[in-house]
This record gives sequence, structure tokens and C-alpha cells, in this order.
Amino acid sequence: SQELEQSPQSLIVQEGKNLTINCTSSKTLYGLYWYKQKYGEGLIFLMMLQKGGEEKSHEKITAKLDEKKQQSSLHITASQPSHAGIYLCGATTPGYALNFGKGTSLLVTP
Amino acid sequence: DAGVTQSPTHLIKTRGQQVTLRCSPKSGHDTVSWYQQALGQGPQFIFQYYEEEERQRGNFPDRFSGHQFPNYSSELNVNALLLGDSALYLCASSSTPLYEQYFGPGTRLTVT
Repeated sequence: SQELEQSPQSLIVQEGKNLTINCTSSKTLYGLYWYKQKYGEGLIFLMMLQKGGEEKSHEKITAKLDEKKQQSSLHITASQPSHAGIYLCGATTPGYALNFGKGTSLLVTP
Repeated sequence: DAGVTQSPTHLIKTRGQQVTLRCSPKSGHDTVSWYQQALGQGPQFIFQYYEEEERQRGNFPDRFSGHQFPNYSSELNVNALLLGDSALYLCASSSTPLYEQYFGPGTRLTVT
């Protein structure tokens, strides 16, 4: 079965700093989702990547899917307190299920 | 445009009891998936419903069952509750089984 490993597990950054979260798959990725979750709440859809080399941006968040399609990165530029939360990557599987990593917890300090 | 809604928000049950959780999909969506998220873990896929049928099931015992109604809303039923069933239960909807999934706020189930 496919395993998704996220790194780092947790991150504390000062407001205004840039940061990157990685998601590495044990198998080729055919579709990769990034979600944000506030503690104990539902998941907020950020972006979906499907093609190797694809890059998408929304506001100050950029996600990339590498050419070999086994890793994705999420980059936040000039972090703000509103970026705090848990970032989850999810991969589409043969079928309909999403397979998730354990998440990266982000705290942005003033 | 209402997003995915779930009820109740929180629930406390005793071991051995049965529970029903409810989900209304986002307007225009006809597919509902259910996930279980234990503390500190990513969501785990339970099953997906489309056209009132279970299309795919994850690695969960038969104690977990579901239903989808003609209006596309869905229920998740868990029988013979165990302490390990304590988790956040998330519902996600999509416009077809393969399209991007939008999640609801979840139901926090505590089994004592």
C-alpha cells in the first residue's frame, strides 16, 4: 500500500519567514492534494496537483509536484499567524479513496 | 452556497452503544466519503457512497456501515462502540467519485 511521509512533523517559524513542507510517497503519485486543518476542525482544500512538474499558487502558498511524481512540496512565503494549522497531503489511490500523511503542524510566532 | 455540513458536532457515547452520524454534501455534489481521524494522525478512509451504493471501502470492520439517501445526504453508523473508535469523523463530498473532495467540519466522537 502507498505510504505518505510528511516532513517536518512540526514547524515553528517567525512571522514573515518563508517555509517549506514536504510530502514523499512510496509509490508514484497520480494526484496529490494539499489541505489545511485548524486543530480539531475539518479540512480546507488548498490545491490539487496531477501532472509531474506542475506548480500551483494561491495567495502566498505554492505547491509543486516533482517530475518523478513521488514528492510534493508546499511553500509559504512571508508567513502570517493565519497560516498556522496542520497541513496534510493526500494522494489519490486506485479507486476513490484519499490516502493521507500524518500532517505537519505549523505555528507562526509574532 | 452551503458547504458540507455534519451533525452532531460532538457526541459522547458509552462502550457497546451504537451511534449515527449525519452528513449533507455541498450543493451540486452527489458523492460522499467518510474518514476517521484519530488524534495526531491523518484521516483514514472508511467508505464512499455514490448513487446510494457503497463504491469503495477502506480497512474498517463491519461494525462501520453507511447509507446514502436520494438527496445525496449520508449517514455513518457504528455499532458496538469501542474506546478506540474515539476520533474525529469527517465527511467529504465531491461532484463525482473521482473529483476533488471538500470536507465538512467533522463530528468529534468520544467513547467512554
